[in-house]
Amino acid sequence: KAGVTQTPRYLIKTRGQQVTLSCSPISGHRSVSWYQQTPGQGLQFLFEYFSETQRNKGNFPGRFSGRQFSNSRSEMNVSTLELGDSALYLCASSFDRKDGELFFGEGSRLTVL
Amino acid sequence: EDKVVQSPLSLVVHEGDTVTLNCSYEVTNFRSLLWYKQEKKAPTFLFMLTSSGIEKKSGRLSSILDKKELFSILNITATQTGDSAIYLCAVSSGGYQKVTFGTGTKLQVIP
Repeated sequence: KAGVTQTPRYLIKTRGQQVTLSCSPISGHRSVSWYQQTPGQGLQFLFEYFSETQRNKGNFPGRFSGRQFSNSRSEMNVSTLELGDSALYLCASSFDRKDGELFFGEGSRLTVL
Repeated sequence: EDKVVQSPLSLVVHEGDTVTLNCSYEVTNFRSLLWYKQEKKAPTFLFMLTSSGIEKKSGRLSSILDKKELFSILNITATQTGDSAIYLCAVSSGGYQKVTFGTGTKLQVIP
């Protein structure tokens, strides 16, 4: 069974640009969560989607947005990029949205210059 | 705001040593506590604990939860260099899939 797939794996952007990251969950998983990981802050929760609806949102500015499609694939978008947005963005999927066990993708490494 | 604190932040041990990693939490409507291991990119699931006092074991790794004192420990016995990784503690809370992570403990096992 294929794991969680994230694309692109690496990307470089400049300040002010926007970026879209994609996540394909494990087949049958309907919950998708996004996390930002930086060396100083660890994994910070961005948002969680279930059945195309955002159920939870972390404490990030409105420049960070996401969506989920009917096939459970999810995208997140960051507009007006800042240097501080440089991070590893991890997507995680789960079958049961309440038990907390998450299956992570390899992440998308974003560098903002 | 939900909070998960891990200690120590990092440690270096020799192969064969036993290590104990700590995780304390303050969350609203606790559902479960989870441990993950992150070697390169994707964290991989180790344990999920929901009940106090019941030890979960997997090989040389074990974990236990104390819901009264709001903490958990992860023990690794007879450490090997392959145990070198960041160990993440997380808590699932609320009605939906909100999982809050600690900053992790970076473990380095040297031969």
